[in-house]
Amino acid sequence: KQEVTQIPAALSVPEGENLVLNCSFTDSAIYNLQWFRQDPGKGLTSLLLIQSSQREQTSGRLNASLDKSSGRSTLYIAASQPGDSATYLCAVTETSGSRLTFGEGTQLTVNP
Amino acid sequence: DAGVIQSPRHEVTEMGQEVTLRCKPISGHNSLFWYRQTMMRGLELLIYFNNNVPIDDSGMPEDRFSAKMPNASFSTLKIQPSEPRDSAVYFCASSFRGSNQPQHFGDGTRLSIL
Repeated sequence: KQEVTQIPAALSVPEGENLVLNCSFTDSAIYNLQWFRQDPGKGLTSLLLIQSSQREQTSGRLNASLDKSSGRSTLYIAASQPGDSATYLCAVTETSGSRLTFGEGTQLTVNP
Repeated sequence: DAGVIQSPRHEVTEMGQEVTLRCKPISGHNSLFWYRQTMMRGLELLIYFNNNVPIDDSGMPEDRFSAKMPNASFSTLKIQPSEPRDSAVYFCASSFRGSNQPQHFGDGTRLSIL
């Protein structure tokens, strides 16, 4: 059974700092990995999707990497801003069109 | 573009009542997912459909829960009878199976059973 773990559970940083969120998964036979953002009382917004054959994806200040063989992914946020404050969730899917298995999330607070 | 639309946004009802949650997926998507989010257990898949057919319902807690997808543009999740432990946020998501595209989530239904 696939298990996804995210470290740290919570992170508080001053504005402008670069930061890394970590995600690990137990079964390396994944189809893709997604990073989501969730604001309080809201749904999930997809930030980045990395296919199993890819090593990284970038969108603006966000960069996600994937090391499938070791079961790890990182989300790098450059020059953090207070508006980045949210919970970040990592999830994997094992075949096309199948379920996402989620980690517990990292709650990020960026202080002005 | 219209995203995944869920209704109602909030539902408060008494224990024992029937609850029906509704979802309209993104047009053209052929996979639909129902997830439940709680503080204790995080986000868990309840059931998902491909081309309107239920594929995996192993996450449905018990017989009190049922889900249907009568057509490609509508799905329901029903709880009968409801219990306080069913209180959670229920999310619907959709995607296009066969592509490496992300799942898109609705804003969720916050359900409180008194």
